[in-house]
Amino acid sequence: DQQVKQNSPSLSVQEGRISILNCDYTNSMFDYFLWYKKYPAEGPTFLISISSIKDKNEDGRFTVFLNKSAKHLSLHIVPSQPGDSAVYFCAASLSYAYGNKLVFGAGTILRVKS
Amino acid sequence: DSGVTQTPKHLITATGQRVTLRCSPRSGDLSVYWYQQSLDQGLQFLIQYYNGEERAKGNILERFSAQQFPDLHSELNLSSLELGDSALYFCASSVATGGYYNEQFFGPGTRLTVL
Repeated sequence: DQQVKQNSPSLSVQEGRISILNCDYTNSMFDYFLWYKKYPAEGPTFLISISSIKDKNEDGRFTVFLNKSAKHLSLHIVPSQPGDSAVYFCAASLSYAYGNKLVFGAGTILRVKS
Repeated sequence: DSGVTQTPKHLITATGQRVTLRCSPRSGDLSVYWYQQSLDQGLQFLIQYYNGEERAKGNILERFSAQQFPDLHSELNLSSLELGDSALYFCASSVATGGYYNEQFFGPGTRLTVL
């Protein structure tokens, strides 16, 4: 049961242009949505998050948009830089009475060409 | 460097064997999470511990078990290993004290290869 889906396995963008990574989810109980960035041989690194009650969050070059009615979120990177080349994971937080877990998508490989 | 450490970095073993993966959380973090990433898959949540107590469970196999010790480090034990258990195993930690979201910081992972 894939509750979080990233339908694009890879994306290639020219340096300086906008990168848009997309993510769809099915569970209305998710309370936060996050984007993680991962380089080879390293663990995922937190990038940006958004509460389920917001529709936009911005941090420098990174902006996350949440469309609850469509159960869709996207990460915009402007301008894209070669150092942004990595695997990007969309994740959603599910909270219980005493615990919490993250549900991850399969990831999108972003390549920024110089 | 997230501050979360995992040992060993690589582990190669045979089917039927048992291994233990170790994780030390960031200083001050009481919650530890374990995730499995198989080839071309996203990370799958296995289990969460908070201050020594199990708090949330994912699709963790019965052959797998975990615990968190009084010094807050955690171990993930994998037994009767099968070829399909080959994966990256990540540990994460957070300050989370209850059932709500807190940012999780990930370790570098342990790559397990079962031959």
